Formats: sequence, C-alpha cells, structure tokens
Amino acid sequence: EVQLVESGGGVVQPGGSLRLSCAASGFTFDDYAMHWVRQAPGKGLEWVSLISGDGGSTYYADSVKGRFTISRDNSKNSLYLQMNSLRTEDTALYYCAKDLSDVEGAFDIWGQGTMVTVSS
Amino acid sequence: VIWMTQSPSLLSASTGDRVTISCRMSQGISSYLAWYQQKPGKAPELLIYAASTLQSGVPSRFSGSGSGTDFTLTISCLQSEDFATYYCQQYYSFPPATFGQGTKVEIK
Repeated sequence: EVQLVESGGGVVQPGGSLRLSCAASGFTFDDYAMHWVRQAPGKGLEWVSLISGDGGSTYYADSVKGRFTISRDNSKNSLYLQMNSLRTEDTALYYCAKDLSDVEGAFDIWGQGTMVTVSS
Repeated sequence: VIWMTQSPSLLSASTGDRVTISCRMSQGISSYLAWYQQKPGKAPELLIYAASTLQSGVPSRFSGSGSGTDFTLTISCLQSEDFATYYCQQYYSFPPATFGQGTKVEIK
C-alpha cells in the first residue's frame, strides 16, 4: 500500500524551529518528486516546497523562502522540512505529498498531515 | 503569477443532482490542471489531472474538461459521499503550484 506518514509537528514560539518528517512506503521513493503543502485552520491549500527525486533541485514558496529547508534521504524513504524563524502565520496542518512523476506538479498521494502551531 | 478564480465558493445541491464547478485562469495553462476532493478532517485526494484524466479508483461520475483558461469539474449524479470541498490546482507555471479558493458542496 502506498502511504505517507508525517510526524514532528507541535507547538512552538514565534522565532522557533521545528523539523517535520514524512515516511514513505509502497513505491520507489527516489523516482518521484515530493512536496510539502499546508493548510491553515479553516483555510485553503498552500504549496510550500518541492524536492526532486534525486534531491538535486529544491523550490520554495515566497512565503517560506530563506526560512524553510526541504531535504530527503532516499536510503530511508524519508522527506523532511526544517522550519526556522517560525511566524504565527506558519500555523497550519502540513501535508507531505507525492508528485505524479519527477517534478510534474500534481499530487497523487497525501499523508494525513502534522499540525504546527506557532504561538507565544 | 497566474491568478485562479474558482466558483462558486458554496454550492447547495441534492443527491442525484448534476453539479459543475468552474476554475478560470488569468492566462492559458494548456491542460496543466488538477482537481482534488477534501472531506472534513481528511487529506485532499486527487480526482483528475491533466484537466480530464480520471485518477485511478475515482468513480466515473466525476469528469473534468477544458483547456487554456477555462476548466470545469462535473459530478454527473451527486452521491452522499460527494459532499466535500473541491479545489482546482494549476501546475503549468510551476513552481509554485497554486490552488483555487475551494468550492464547498453542501446538502441542499
């Protein structure tokens, strides 16, 4: 079964850091780009970041550029999001999502999400 | 930046109805459009990609059409499990991927 399981969310103060993880199973992980997509409470979907299958290319939404870093460990079938200098507006449910291919841009498998709350 | 206008934001319908949701782009995106369904407390699920290709396992009552700037998601015969929020997403000018504002389909 193709599956993505996120972890690492929690409550953090503004300016703090958090590292999210996503464990993948059921598919050849390094054949696919992977993404992080977030959803603020009661709001719509916002794409956050992308990493290519070999990890050589990364992209970020302007709202997180310079603060967030996406990475992957293909030997562990794992995706990560290092989040620094967190702001209250980063409060959201963070989903990892599998690309249709290696950087096509649509998402065919989603995890259940991990909640990040930035609050003092 | 490609601007997306998804409409309506709220759609009230009854089981058995045919419903359509529109997504309009500020510039042409060929067929690089996907549709997702999200139920409360759940992750989004891919319904359609490349504007009209049905994702494996998705019921055939869902269909997508359009190219360029105007796209439509149609549910031919609304079922109880279809009451949810639907999002369009463009991936022509990517990154970033951008989503529509969402359409909530509620019971009339």
